[in-house]
Amino acid sequence: KAGVTQTPRYLIKTRGQQVTLSCSPISGHRSVSWYQQTPGQGLQFLFEYFSETQRNKGNFPGRFSGRQFSNSRSEMNVSTLELGDSALYLCASSLTGDSYYEQYFGPGTRLTVT
Amino acid sequence: QQQVKQSPQSLIVQKGGISIINCAYENTAFDYFPWYQQFPGKGPALLIAIRPDVSEKKEGRFTISFNKSAKQFSLHIMDSQPGDSATYFCAASTQAAGNKLTFGGGTRVLVKP
Repeated sequence: KAGVTQTPRYLIKTRGQQVTLSCSPISGHRSVSWYQQTPGQGLQFLFEYFSETQRNKGNFPGRFSGRQFSNSRSEMNVSTLELGDSALYLCASSLTGDSYYEQYFGPGTRLTVT
Repeated sequence: QQQVKQSPQSLIVQKGGISIINCAYENTAFDYFPWYQQFPGKGPALLIAIRPDVSEKKEGRFTISFNKSAKQFSLHIMDSQPGDSATYFCAASTQAAGNKLTFGGGTRVLVKP
C-alpha cells in the first residue's frame, strides 16, 4: 500500500509570493491533517480536513488555508509568504476523523522563503 | 501556550542502555497519548500509543508509562540500539478534537555503539 505522498518535496519562494502544497493520503483514508515543523516552534497543527470539510483549525493566521477534494487529496495554500513561514510542512492521513486511529505522516515539503 | 512539555531535549545513551523521555501535559481533557519517532528527512512515524485507562503499555523494547494524577507520561526504550537514534515526540489529543495532535518539543536520542 502506497504511503502518504507530498509534492513538491522542496520549494524556494520569495517573500510576498504565495505557494500551494499538495498531499495525497493513503488509499481509503478520509482524514488529512497538516502540520508545520520548525526548529523553534516544533510541530504545530495547522488544520484537519475530513470528507472535504475543515474539522479543526490551529492557531495560524488566515494566510494559511487548505482544502480537500472528493478523492481525499488535500492542498494547503500560504499567501503573502513571510520569512518565518520557512518550515517543513507535513501532511498526515488517517482512516477516519477519530483520534484513536493512527495518523500516517508523509515525508513533508521543505519550504524556504527568501 | 505549550500544553505538552517534553524533556530532555537531547539524550546520549550507550548501546544496550535504557533511554527515558518524559512528558507532562496540562489539559485534563487529553485522552490519547501517542509517541512518534522521526528520522532525518522523514515524517514522524507512530511508535506506540496509550489511553488514560491504562498505566503501562509495552511493545517490544518500547514501553509507555502513564500517571494520570501527575499528568505525566514517559517512554522507555530498553536495550537501546544505534538504529534507535532519532528524534522522539510525545503528543496528546482529545477525541473531541479529532485528529488534532499537540506535540511536545521533541527529544533527540543518540545511541552510541
